[in-house]
Amino acid sequence: DAGVIQSPRHEVTEMGQEVTLRCKPISGHDYLFWYRQTMMRGLELLIYFNNNVPIDDSGMPEDRFSAKMPNASFSTLKIQPSEPRDSAVYFCASSWGTSGAGPTGELFFGEGSRLTVL
Amino acid sequence: TQLLEQSPQFLSIQEGENLTVYCNSSSVFSSLQWYRQEPGEGPVLLVTVVTGGEVKKLKRLTFQFGDARKDSSLHITAAQPGDTGLYLCAGGRLYGGATNKLIFGTGTLLAVQP
Repeated sequence: DAGVIQSPRHEVTEMGQEVTLRCKPISGHDYLFWYRQTMMRGLELLIYFNNNVPIDDSGMPEDRFSAKMPNASFSTLKIQPSEPRDSAVYFCASSWGTSGAGPTGELFFGEGSRLTVL
Repeated sequence: TQLLEQSPQFLSIQEGENLTVYCNSSSVFSSLQWYRQEPGEGPVLLVTVVTGGEVKKLKRLTFQFGDARKDSSLHITAAQPGDTGLYLCAGGRLYGGATNKLIFGTGTLLAVQP
C-alpha cells in the first residue's frame, strides 16, 4: 500500500517567490498534519485537518503561510512570498481518528519536501 | 515553547554498547510515542505508551513511561549500526476531546560506529 506521498522532494527558489507543497495522505485516514523540521526548532506542527476541515492552525508562522485540503486525498501548503527563514523540511503526515479510552494517534509521515529559499 | 526536552542531544557510541535516551516535560501527556527518523525520510513510529509506569520492549529497545506521565526513557541494549538515526519522543494531548495532537521533543541524534 502507498504511504503518504509528498511533492516536490526538493525545491530551491528565490526569496519572494510562491512555493506550493503537495500531499496525498493514506487512503482512509481522516486526519492530515503539516509539520516543519529545522535544526534549530525541531519538528513543529503547523496545521492539521480533520475530514478536510482545518482544526488548529495556531502553528502557522504568519499570513504568508496557507494550507488547504479540498478533498480527502489532497492537501497543499503554500508560502507566498517565501523568505530565506522558511528554508526547512516540510512533512505531511496522516492518521486515523482516535477513539475509545486509549488514543494512539500514530502518525504516518511522508518523506518530506526540502525547501531552500535563496 | 518546547515542552519536551530530550537528552542527550547527540550520542556517538561503539557497536555493542548500551545507551539510554531521556524525554522530559513539566506537562502531563495522555500518551507518549517514540519515533525514529533516518536521513531523507520521515519519522517512523516505534512504540506508544499510554499508562503511567508502563514498560514496553521491542527486541533490544525498552521504553518506559514515567509514573506521572511527564517523562519517558528509551534504553537500547547492545546497539548496532542499524540503530543509527534521530530518535524523537512525542507527547499526545487530547484536543477538543478528539484527536491526539502530538508535541515532538527536541530529538536525540544517535550514531553507532561499527
